[in-house]
Amino acid sequence: QVQLVESGGGVVQPGRSLRLSCAASGFSFSTYTMHWVRQAPGKGLEWVAIVSYDETNKYYADSLKGRFTISRDNFKNTMFLQMNSLRSEDTALYYCARARRSLTKTDAFDVWGQGTMVTVSS
Amino acid sequence: EIVLTQSPGTLSLSPGDRATLSCRASQSFSSNYLAWYQHKRGQAPRLLIYGASSRATGIPDRFSGSGSGTDFTLTIRRLEPEDFAVYYCQQFASSPMFTFGQGTKLEIK
Repeated sequence: QVQLVESGGGVVQPGRSLRLSCAASGFSFSTYTMHWVRQAPGKGLEWVAIVSYDETNKYYADSLKGRFTISRDNFKNTMFLQMNSLRSEDTALYYCARARRSLTKTDAFDVWGQGTMVTVSS
Repeated sequence: EIVLTQSPGTLSLSPGDRATLSCRASQSFSSNYLAWYQHKRGQAPRLLIYGASSRATGIPDRFSGSGSGTDFTLTIRRLEPEDFAVYYCQQFASSPMFTFGQGTKLEIK
């Protein structure tokens, strides 16, 4: 069945780094644009980043100011989020999500993982 | 950047009632790029509606979406106990900044 499973979250000190993974199964991963979305405690959903199916295009939310890097390995059906210079405001549940349509402009996220929690605290 | 404003912030209704949730955009865009999600605590968000009015796979027909331009609506015809959750709209028009609304909490009255 179609599934996304995030991992790599944890507790990290401010200024340190963390790498999240999103393992995909049950669909042709290499043909879908993928996204990261986060939800801070008590807050709403916030779009974080996008990587195109072939990794040629990557974009980020303005609030991240170049600290995060999205990537993917289509041979391993896995997407990543490298998070550097972490701040307390990065504390959130991080979800990976699949664009509804393959090989074309995104119009919705139809598959989501359960999320991995990142806590930035000293 | 397109800003989405959802109203009301909280909606208190009873099972069997009709729920009407609003999502207003700061600028007009094609309805092809408006989606709605349901989010329950401890679960992944669930796609309900894409293209403003098309139901996603497996979504009951009591959920419907409408609207165009800057004003979009999610309607839940007869609330079931499992429908009480937080609902978000999201736009895909100002690619690649795929902003969400702030959410509407639908709670049991």
